[in-house]
Amino acid sequence: RKEVEQDPGPFNVPEGATVAFNCTYSNSASQSFFWYRQDCRKEPKLLMSVYSSGNEDGRFTAQLNRASQYISLLIRDSKLSDSATYLCVANQGGKLIFGQGTELSVKP
Amino acid sequence: GAGVSQSPRYKVTKRGQDVALRCDPISGHVSLYWYRQALGQGPEFLTYFNYEAQQDKSGLPNDRFSAERPEGSISTLTIQRTEQRDSAMYRCASSLAGAGNTIYFGEGSWLTVV
Repeated sequence: RKEVEQDPGPFNVPEGATVAFNCTYSNSASQSFFWYRQDCRKEPKLLMSVYSSGNEDGRFTAQLNRASQYISLLIRDSKLSDSATYLCVANQGGKLIFGQGTELSVKP
Repeated sequence: GAGVSQSPRYKVTKRGQDVALRCDPISGHVSLYWYRQALGQGPEFLTYFNYEAQQDKSGLPNDRFSAERPEGSISTLTIQRTEQRDSAMYRCASSLAGAGNTIYFGEGSWLTVV
């Protein structure tokens, strides 16, 4: 079993749609969590951190459920520019463990 | 430099040769990470350093892989006796101190073993 698991997708959605990605992690000792975005053939970049209380950054909302070892990312009002791969990340004692990534394609 | 710099950007090598991949982190960044990324997959952890100390090397696939950061700045990932299965993108990242801080990736080194 992978330490961080994501549905690879692709998720194909129209502009303006709301889309949600889920991620599960196996190590309950994981200390902190993040969502990274990776554009095709580019390096991953931090999208947002994930806090237990949930956090929002514009159209993006991240949630963490430690009891279920589950992380989510919600994107509202999708834009064409949101098309990318979204990587779920868990910090395990100083090393960041990445999921496989979920591919999002936003269509006109 | 302004960002994490990796070299070479592209390397083609023959099976059995040794390769060295270099990473120059963002100035002042304490932590340095090495990842390997195959097409369609997320980055796979290899190893990381705080200053010059290698904190965790549990992700190195086998003893042909090694990494060093002798002066706490530039790091080298060395692969000995390369095999075709070593072909991948090798990514370096750095952060101010620890994984609780944002980590910044370099553009990566594409390795092809023929």
